[in-house]
Amino acid sequence: GAVVSQHPSRVICKSGTSVKIECRSLDFQATTMFWYRQFPKKSLMLMATSNEGSKATYEQGVEKDKFLINHASLTLSTLTVTSAHPEDSSFYICSARFDTNMNTEAFFGQGTRLTVV
Amino acid sequence: GQQVMQIPQYQHVQEGEDFTTYCNSSTTLSNIQWYKQRPGGHPVFLIQLVKSGEVKKQKRLTFQFGEAKKNSSLHITATQTTDVGTYFCAGRATGANNLFFGTGTRLTVIP
Repeated sequence: GAVVSQHPSRVICKSGTSVKIECRSLDFQATTMFWYRQFPKKSLMLMATSNEGSKATYEQGVEKDKFLINHASLTLSTLTVTSAHPEDSSFYICSARFDTNMNTEAFFGQGTRLTVV
Repeated sequence: GQQVMQIPQYQHVQEGEDFTTYCNSSTTLSNIQWYKQRPGGHPVFLIQLVKSGEVKKQKRLTFQFGEAKKNSSLHITATQTTDVGTYFCAGRATGANNLFFGTGTRLTVIP
């Protein structure tokens, strides 16, 4: 299957700082990438849909100025958590789809565990 | 908004017993996907169902998509310890671009 690489896998940052998470599709071009957040023992909550070359579409309740998403190329999307607070601590996972056919599976990155202290 | 619920939330079974998780959507789905997530890991795609009433099998796993395309089930026959993990269904509403994940069922298999 296709490979999606997410970096870093773990990050600890101080409250008030910003953290950038990268999501790369290694062997295919991803026109669409998705960012999810997962709390311990909970389901994945879709945060936003990232489209290459255009603004991300955020789900209701997700602050776009807080979670900056950039999809500058067909193989890279980044999520920046700005002015992080302890409540932003979570597991962030990206997924990518390699074509525009909606009936295709999503390939997930390994996830990034963010801890804000 | 779209909601995808799964039951049960948790299931403990003895190794060798069967296991079923049910997924129900508030809206009609164009397709449904199933993922497995091991503790500390990321979701791994298992299968996708597209057609109304579709049934697919993967070894001991049987997946079913409801006739109304609003519910689905995953059945595991004779569970093994390697089946441990959380099983998520994920549905895409007709015409929508994104997947909404179900609440998940955490399976524990007791040796």
